[in-house]
Amino acid sequence: EVQLVESGGGLVQPGRSLKLSCAASGFTFSDYNMAWVRQAPKKGLEWVATIIYDGSRTYYRDSVKGRFTISRDNAKSTLYLQMDSLRSEDTATYYCATPPGDWGQGVMVTVSS
Amino acid sequence: DIVLTQAPLSVSVTPGESASISCRSSKSLLSSKGITSLYWYLQKPGKSPQLLIYRMSNLASGVPDRFSGSGSETDFTLKISKVETEDVGVYYCAQFLEYPRTFGGGTKLELK
Repeated sequence: EVQLVESGGGLVQPGRSLKLSCAASGFTFSDYNMAWVRQAPKKGLEWVATIIYDGSRTYYRDSVKGRFTISRDNAKSTLYLQMDSLRSEDTATYYCATPPGDWGQGVMVTVSS
Repeated sequence: DIVLTQAPLSVSVTPGESASISCRSSKSLLSSKGITSLYWYLQKPGKSPQLLIYRMSNLASGVPDRFSGSGSETDFTLKISKVETEDVGVYYCAQFLEYPRTFGGGTKLELK
């Protein structure tokens, strides 16, 4: 059974940093592209970033380019999202996903002073 | 960016009846490999999204065959026949043809 467990969320002040992790199990992590998708409170789904299975390429939405970094450790079956220079509009539940199929339970990030 | 427009915003259905949700793309989602990269998700209240349909018309594992997907290169439909109480939630279409990946705005399904 595929399991994706996010961690690292919380309350952070604008301009500060936060790093999310996603521990994967139940599948061969190194064979799959991975993504982060977020959902602001009471809003729809918004793709954030994708990393190719071997880490060779990454893709970001424009609003997070230069501030967020997606990475992975295939030896640890773990996906990361380093979020710097956080803004209030980054407040959301962040989901780790194996596009298009499996999603984690999500982790809340609140950016507020 | 590819824009996906869903309609209606919400739909109210009597259990046992059918419901249809539309998703229109601003660009053809047919790839050079002949794959239509349109996906449907259901997000039940308080839960993570779950995949229902992949590549426009293929039922995801474990999804009841009451769900079906169809369409062309830019116009897509999710049909739910014999709606059940467990089908309540918000339905999203998504495209995986190109980056940035984009989602439709969502359609909320409620029961009468």
